[in-house]
Amino acid sequence: EPEVTQTPSHQVTQMGQEVILRCVPISNHLYFYWYRQILGQKVEFLVSFYNNEISEKSEIFDDQFSVERPDGSNFTLKIRSTKLEDSAMYFCASSGMTGVSGEAFFGQGTRLTVV
Amino acid sequence: SQQGEEDPQALSIQEGENATMNCSYKTSINNLQWYRQNSGRGLVHLILIRSNEREKHSGRLRVTLDTSKKSSSLLITASRAADTASYFCATDAFGRGSTLGRLYFGRGTQLTVWP
Repeated sequence: EPEVTQTPSHQVTQMGQEVILRCVPISNHLYFYWYRQILGQKVEFLVSFYNNEISEKSEIFDDQFSVERPDGSNFTLKIRSTKLEDSAMYFCASSGMTGVSGEAFFGQGTRLTVV
Repeated sequence: SQQGEEDPQALSIQEGENATMNCSYKTSINNLQWYRQNSGRGLVHLILIRSNEREKHSGRLRVTLDTSKKSSSLLITASRAADTASYFCATDAFGRGSTLGRLYFGRGTQLTVWP
């Protein structure tokens, strides 16, 4: 069964360093998303991406964040200068369509720990 | 806010019993999705119910949707210890004019099934 895959599963980084989280969405999907979940809190939307551009972003997704789809398969989230409060589980998701039939499928997540 | 909110926050039952979790939301939706998350792991898509549907089944799962009350329920019948996980509802943001499948998650119900 097709699935969204994310790498790495766990990343530890020093405050101020750049990190890139990688995702391979389901191959025929068109819409891509990043969410995060701080430990013990809700899953929060960061950004959606369609047709090679950001379609929506939340207030969390500030200038320190960027996304890219560098080729036909990968979808990346970059955090330019990490802060302690960026420590969270980051989930990539993809869906084939939105609206009425928009099942979104999530990856296993990358646990980011900023020290 | 748009977020779904689940109740109860925690539910503890014996194997074989049924588990019912509820979700309420605030604005119009196109669909509502239920996800499962094992501790520290990814989000597994369980079921999507559309706004024009009232009930949907998938194996031991039964989901209902009452758009007049802006609420949904997830019933797991004949629960097993392996069903122990957090369960989240997620709504789209049709009523807020959000685009392209942004999801709003509740805080989840932690289900514990004792053998």
